[in-house]
Amino acid sequence: NAGVTQTPKFQVLKTGQSMTLQCAQDMNHEYMSWYRQDPGMGLRLIHYSVGAGITDQGEVPNGYNVSRSTTEDFPLRLLSAAPSQTSVYFCASRRDSPYEQYFGPGTRLTVT
Amino acid sequence: AQSVTQLGSHVSVSEGALVLLRCNYSSSVPPYLFWYVQYPNQGLQLLLKYTSAATLVKGINGFEAEFKKSETSFHLTKPSAHMSDAAEYFCAVTHGMIYNQGGKLIFGQGTELSVKP
Repeated sequence: NAGVTQTPKFQVLKTGQSMTLQCAQDMNHEYMSWYRQDPGMGLRLIHYSVGAGITDQGEVPNGYNVSRSTTEDFPLRLLSAAPSQTSVYFCASRRDSPYEQYFGPGTRLTVT
Repeated sequence: AQSVTQLGSHVSVSEGALVLLRCNYSSSVPPYLFWYVQYPNQGLQLLLKYTSAATLVKGINGFEAEFKKSETSFHLTKPSAHMSDAAEYFCAVTHGMIYNQGGKLIFGQGTELSVKP
């Protein structure tokens, strides 16, 4: 099992550019989430999905889109990058029980 | 609404000393509580979790935490610190109904643990 994988590991964007952060898991987990991590703020939920075809917003969804066409994949799209989106992005997946959430290694994004 | 407060953004201990990382939560319903560890440039790894079973929870790497409802606390402890424990630690809260609707974990701000030789 590869667990949760994320690509790319690092990315630099210019303001206004768009891109997609990739996330995949091979554990057949129904639940997947995207978080952003900023210094002193812990992790904040951007979007989540409870299964293929079902997504919903988290705490900080503005500027991001998601879709879930398969159980395995949960890409995060930045529509028009802004410097405020400079952050480390983590994808996570979990099973229903015993509730352990598995995190990917993260994508470090810088928007100039 | 649920929230988590971690007291102390930086904690420094000597090798062999007791580790105590504090976490207080706010929840109007019985909570599920988690501690995660993050090593530099890595993702988060689950240390331990409380999901309404035993109030004293043992985790990996010798860590444990005790759920105290009266104090709304879930402090993380380890009797003897190792150099390899240096990392950032996050406390997180949710409750069963929200969690089963998609895993909405609310994280604290994090506590960076340093271990001095």
